[in-house]
Amino acid sequence: GAVVSQHPSRVICKSGTSVKIECRSLDFQATTMFWYRQFPKKSLMLMATSNEGSKATYEQGVEKDKFLINHASLTLSTLTVTSAHPEDSSFYICSAREGGRRYGYTFGSGTRLTVV
Amino acid sequence: AQTVTQSQPEMSVQEAETVTLSCTYDTSESDYYLFWYKQPPSRQMILVIRQEAYKQQNATENRFSVNFQKAAKSFSLKISDSQLGDAAMYFCAYRSEVPGTASKLTFGTGTRLQVTL
Repeated sequence: GAVVSQHPSRVICKSGTSVKIECRSLDFQATTMFWYRQFPKKSLMLMATSNEGSKATYEQGVEKDKFLINHASLTLSTLTVTSAHPEDSSFYICSAREGGRRYGYTFGSGTRLTVV
Repeated sequence: AQTVTQSQPEMSVQEAETVTLSCTYDTSESDYYLFWYKQPPSRQMILVIRQEAYKQQNATENRFSVNFQKAAKSFSLKISDSQLGDAAMYFCAYRSEVPGTASKLTFGTGTRLQVTL
């Protein structure tokens, strides 16, 4: 079945530094990638939607300059948290949708980011 | 904007018993999809079941079935013969079929299901 590989699974970084999270679709072409943030014991909050080769569409309240999303190829999308602060600590999940599939979403295994 | 509400933060069921998780949603659209996702402790999201709004027949996947009431905007999940491996967070999700909505999912707040011996 479809697999999305998300790396790293855990990362600890110092305040003020940047962190990049990668999501790769291993056996399909991810025309659309969704990035979510999940706080402990909470729901998934959509941060942005990206289509391959296009600029990401960010949800209201999400800082575009802080959460940089790149979807340069059909198999790779990245989320870069710039100038990270402790309040950015969270669980980040990507979800890929293959073009032509009406309801198939494949989720990555998530990245736990801790900013110290 | 669509909203998805799960009014049960936590539920508990005994092994082999049946449990129903509730979900309601608010939309003015007529064409959409509804989903139930499971998130075990590993945090990996797993699709449990989906329902197309235009279908009157309730979806079923082995021990999992839904009660889809379109007029009432209700979409409950029934788990039969509960197993220890069913313990997880369950999220109800909505997806619009309106062109231009980017196929994004709107998730409910989740229900944590405990399965006891």
